[in-house]
Amino acid sequence: DAGVIQSPRHEVTEMGQEVTLRCKPISGHDYLFWYRQTMMRGLELLIYFNNNVPIDDSGMPEDRFSAKMPNASFSTLKIQPSEPRDSAVYFCASSSLGGDTGELFFGEGSRLTVL
Amino acid sequence: QQQVKQSPQSLIVQKGGISIINCAYENTAFDYFPWYQQFPGKGPALLIAIRPDVSEKKEGRFTISFNKSAKQFSLHIMDSQPGDSATYFCAASYSGNTPLVFGKGTRLSVIA
Repeated sequence: DAGVIQSPRHEVTEMGQEVTLRCKPISGHDYLFWYRQTMMRGLELLIYFNNNVPIDDSGMPEDRFSAKMPNASFSTLKIQPSEPRDSAVYFCASSSLGGDTGELFFGEGSRLTVL
Repeated sequence: QQQVKQSPQSLIVQKGGISIINCAYENTAFDYFPWYQQFPGKGPALLIAIRPDVSEKKEGRFTISFNKSAKQFSLHIMDSQPGDSATYFCAASYSGNTPLVFGKGTRLSVIA
């Protein structure tokens, strides 16, 4: 398996623009997580899905952020409009056991810079 | 509220030395404590994990020590090598399919 695949790897955009980050989880995994990494706050859970259904989105910073999982092999994280404070590395991870007892497999991340 | 507190934020160790990273948690319901390792430009990857029924787990040069009464656990890297230079995250969760809560990370540099 190729692992968790994220795109784009790098995104530079201007404040106010829409940003869409994409993730393809490992085939057969039924949990998908979106994390955000910054120096100040470390790894923060934004939202996670089980069998394509959002379970907990309490970590989503505000209404500008939204995430979807239309099928088992694809998820998106959208920021509209983007702001400079959204600059971070966004990670997608998948698991077959919800992460509490099973290993989380992370993608290589999408580094977002909002100017 | 940070549920898992990790220290130090950064660590410099001589080659061959012992690296020690500490974590403390608040939620006594936590029953799974993994450590993840992250190299620059990569996502974190599972390194080693422990459950509260044991006080220590060793895998090669990596050891987790767990103190349930103190609500603390630590990662020890014996004979540290330059290739161990990375960011290390402790994490915790509890049964019931809850997601991992991560510490803020420790940037380890092993110098020759």
